[in-house]
Amino acid sequence: AQSVSQHNHHVILSEAASLELGCNYSYGGTVNLFWYVQYPGQHLQLLLKYFSGDPLVKGIKGFEAEFIKSKFSFNLRKPSVQWSDTAEYFCAVNAGLGGATNKLIFGTGTLLAVQP
Amino acid sequence: GAGVSQSPSNKVTEKGKDVELRCDPISGHTALYWYRQRLGQGLEFLIYFQGNSAPDKSGLPSDRFSAERTGESVSTLTIQRTQQEDSAVYLCASSRLWDSGNTIYFGEGSWLTVV
Repeated sequence: AQSVSQHNHHVILSEAASLELGCNYSYGGTVNLFWYVQYPGQHLQLLLKYFSGDPLVKGIKGFEAEFIKSKFSFNLRKPSVQWSDTAEYFCAVNAGLGGATNKLIFGTGTLLAVQP
Repeated sequence: GAGVSQSPSNKVTEKGKDVELRCDPISGHTALYWYRQRLGQGLEFLIYFQGNSAPDKSGLPSDRFSAERTGESVSTLTIQRTQQEDSAVYLCASSRLWDSGNTIYFGEGSWLTVV
């Protein structure tokens, strides 16, 4: 069965520090990969996604992620975090039919706290 | 509506009682999804609908859980004879179509506490 692992459960950074959140998935076939973010008191929203093409994808608010097929990884990065980036971040892969459906398998999430 | 709407936003129920959770997807979205998030855990897929049919119910934890969708709009998730381990946030989401590439929009969730 497909699974997604996020190794960092809780990350605390100071403003302007660089961020990298790890995400690994287990599936040998074609996958589509996503990062979602949930700001305090808000609903989940899409940060960025990878379907094909350039493995370095850019999302909203200065976030980017790199798909490394050989490592089954899709790590999220941001060069300089802000206090407003405090949120929970979820990595997800879509499952079934070689990624043809929208059924998503999520990681357990990483809680990021940015200190001003 | 502007987004996915869920009700109730909070529900406290006694063990053994039945609960119904409602989801109003974004108008025109044919695909609808239910997820569960228990405290300290990730989102677990429960079920998804294409229109009114549910091609994948594989995530429903037991036969106490059921869901239906009528008129390609509102969906109801029903939990019978609730147990304490059912306490979680139940998230509904929708997308315009069911195939990948269609952005999924989430609601704010229904917080269920079973006491």
